[in-house]
Parts: sequence; structure tokens; C-alpha cells
Amino acid sequence: EVQLVESGGGLVKPGGSLRLSCAASGFTFSNAWMSWVRQAPGKGLEWVGRIKSKTDGGTTDYAAPVKGRFTISRDDSKNTLYLQMNSLKTEDTAVYYCTTSVVTPAFDYWGQGTLVTVSS
Amino acid sequence: QSVLTQPPSVSAAPGQKVTISCSGSSSNIGNNYVSWYQQLPGTAPKLLIYDNNKRPSGIPDRFSGSKSGTSATLGITGLQTGDEADYYCGTWDSSLSAEVFGGGTKLTVL
Repeated sequence: EVQLVESGGGLVKPGGSLRLSCAASGFTFSNAWMSWVRQAPGKGLEWVGRIKSKTDGGTTDYAAPVKGRFTISRDDSKNTLYLQMNSLKTEDTAVYYCTTSVVTPAFDYWGQGTLVTVSS
Repeated sequence: QSVLTQPPSVSAAPGQKVTISCSGSSSNIGNNYVSWYQQLPGTAPKLLIYDNNKRPSGIPDRFSGSKSGTSATLGITGLQTGDEADYYCGTWDSSLSAEVFGGGTKLTVL
């Protein structure tokens, strides 16, 4: 069974940092392109960024609002995806989901999400 | 402001059919596959349609997708109260080099 479990969310002050983790199981993590998608309270889905598999270069892409502040990385030995968030702003407050494509080319598996609140 | 445009809400009676539109441009819908996601209250999104019109295993054929030019449509027939949710379209935008989503459409089954 495919499982994605996020952790690391919490309350942080503007300008602060936080690192989210996503523990994956039930599929070959090292072959998967992994993404982070966020959802601000009462708002729609917003793609944050992705990391390709190492065999596909392991490169990252980011949405404009987070580029230069957020870093996505992966540890294939631990089947874990990370999102390092620096210089956090109040507008980064959201539930952060990790997601991937296992069976289809789209985001067919999602974690339960972890809430990040940026507030003073 | 979302790159993909969806109506904020749609409604229909149980048993009826509803369609949800998703409008984009040549840099996204026009040249890439569209996916649709259902998000029930308080839960993570769930994939309904991928590659414009394909259903993952386990998704009933009451759900269908289509694409024409720079627009896509999600259709739901035989509406049930359990279909009340937010629906999102998504695709890759080649100009932005980013995945983009519509703003979401809230479906109410009256």
C-alpha cells in the first residue's frame, strides 16, 4: 500500500525557518518524481515545487512565490522527501501536501498534509 | 489569480448531470494533459481524471473528462450527495515551468 506521511509542521514567526518531511512507502521511492502542493486556509491548491528522480537528473523546479526561499531535497536511502522553508512569510501559511505519480502520470497519491502557520 | 479559470461553484439535483469547465492557454492546457482532482471537506485531494479523459482504477465511470483546444471539462453524471466537494483541474505550464491548478469549483448537490 502506498503511503505518504508528512511531518514537521507548526507555528513559526515571520522570517523564520521550518523543515517538512514526507516519509514514503509502498512504492519505489528512488524512481519517483516528488512534489509539494500547499493549500492556504479556505483557498485552492498551489504547487510549490518538485524534485525529479536521480536517474532523471535529480533536479528541482519551484513556483515563483517560493523560489529562492524554499529547497526541496530527497534521501532515497530513507525514502524521505524534504521541504526546507526559509524566510517564511505570513502568506506561506497553509497545509502542505506531498504528492507523487505512482500508477498514472498525474498526482495519484497524496499525504494527509501538515499545517504550517506563519504568525507573530 | 489562478492560471487556470474555473467557475467558483456549480449545483445540481441528485441524479442529474453537471459539468465543470477549466480554461487555460496554449502554454498549459493547449499543449499538455489535464488532470482533475476531487477534494472532500477536510481531506487530501484525490485524482479523478488524468491524461484529459482517463480514469484511475476505482473511479466510477460517472466521472468523465474531455479537452478541446485550451479548455477542459469534467462531467459528473448520476449526482450523489457524496459528490459534494471541491474540484480542481491541473496541468503543466510550459512557459512557467510549473504545475498549475484552477481556483477550484465547489459542487453542491441540492
